[in-house]
This record gives sequence, structure tokens and C-alpha cells, in this order.
Amino acid sequence: NAGVMQNPRHLVRRRGQEARLRCSPMKGHSHVYWYRQLPEEGLKFMVYLQKENIIDESGMPKERFSAEFPKEGPSILRIQQVVRGDSAAYFCASSPIAGDYEQYFGPGTRLTVT
Amino acid sequence: GENVEQHPSTLSVQEGDSAVIKCTYSDSASNYFPWYKQELGKGPQLIIDIRSNVGEKKDQRIAVTLNKTAKHFSLHITETQPEDSAVYFCAATNNAGNMLTFGGGTRLMVKP
Repeated sequence: NAGVMQNPRHLVRRRGQEARLRCSPMKGHSHVYWYRQLPEEGLKFMVYLQKENIIDESGMPKERFSAEFPKEGPSILRIQQVVRGDSAAYFCASSPIAGDYEQYFGPGTRLTVT
Repeated sequence: GENVEQHPSTLSVQEGDSAVIKCTYSDSASNYFPWYKQELGKGPQLIIDIRSNVGEKKDQRIAVTLNKTAKHFSLHITETQPEDSAVYFCAATNNAGNMLTFGGGTRLMVKP
């Protein structure tokens, strides 16, 4: 049973470009969470999605960031017009049930903005 | 919102010794407390968790204790091995249970 898949693993973008990060949850999981980790820091919640619905986006920056989890295909975290401060590791987690249930993390996408 | 504090930020122990990492949380409604191990360049790996209806849980060399009254929980690793070296994060759910709030992490170094 494959774990949470994320791609690409490494992404380099110039300032002003767009970054698209993909996440495929574990088989049977329909809840997806995105977290951001700055160097030498803990993970910070960004957004929680179920299929075709954003449930909680309280951790998302108000501008340039968006997320989706379509009926078919992976969840996408999209960052428009990237800036150097967006450089971080972005992790996706999935769980079978919402609430106080285990979240399993993918290997992350390391975004570098030059 | 929830706030999780974690101590110490770094911990160095000799192989075979025990390691203890402590966390406190602020939201009394939190009811699920997982611990993650993160190795360099990898995603966090769930190693143990505890729910608010129990005070202690053990899995081989790893144990977690929870004191809901004091709002703190701890990770105990016994008979440490070099492969235990990693960054460990504690976390707690918010009262809606949707997001995990993480502590700042503890870098554990086990010296052979």
C-alpha cells in the first residue's frame, strides 16, 4: 500500500513564476492537509481539503496561494508570483477520517525561489 | 488558537541512555497528541500517539504520557540507539480536530 506521494520533490522557481505542488493521498484516504516548514522550524498548517471542498484554509496566506482537491487526480497547492520568502518545504498529509485521527505525511516538496 | 511549546530544542545522549522530550499545550479542548520523527530530507513519520482518554501508552522502546490537568505530554525513548537520531515533533489537534499544531521540534543526537 503506497504512502502519500508528492511531486516534484524539489522545485526551483525564479521570483514571479508560479509553483504547482502535487499530492496524492494514501489509498482509501479522502482528507488532505497541507503544511509548510521553514528551515529549522516546525510545521505550520495551511489548508485542509476533502474531495472538491476546502474545509479549513485558516493557515493559508490571503494572496497568491490556493489549493484544490478535485474529484479526480491529486491535490494541488498553487503559489502564484513566488517570492524568496516562499522558499520552504511543503508537506502534504492524508487521513482516512477527519478529526482526531492519524495524519500520514508525504516526503515533501522543497521549493527554492531564486 | 492552540499553542504547543516543546523542550528541549536539542538533546544529546549516550547510546543506551534514555531521552525525554516534553510538550505543553494551551487548548484544553485538544484531545489527540501525536509524535513524529523527521530524518534529514524526509517527511515526518508518525511514531506514537495518545488520546485524551488514556494517561500513558507504550510501544517497545517508546512511551508517551499525558497529563490533561497540567496540559502537558512527554515522549520517552529508552535504550537509545544511533538510528534514533533525528528531529522529533510533538503536536496537538485543535478543538475541531482538523489541523495539527506542532511544537518547535527537538533535535536528538545519540552518540555511539
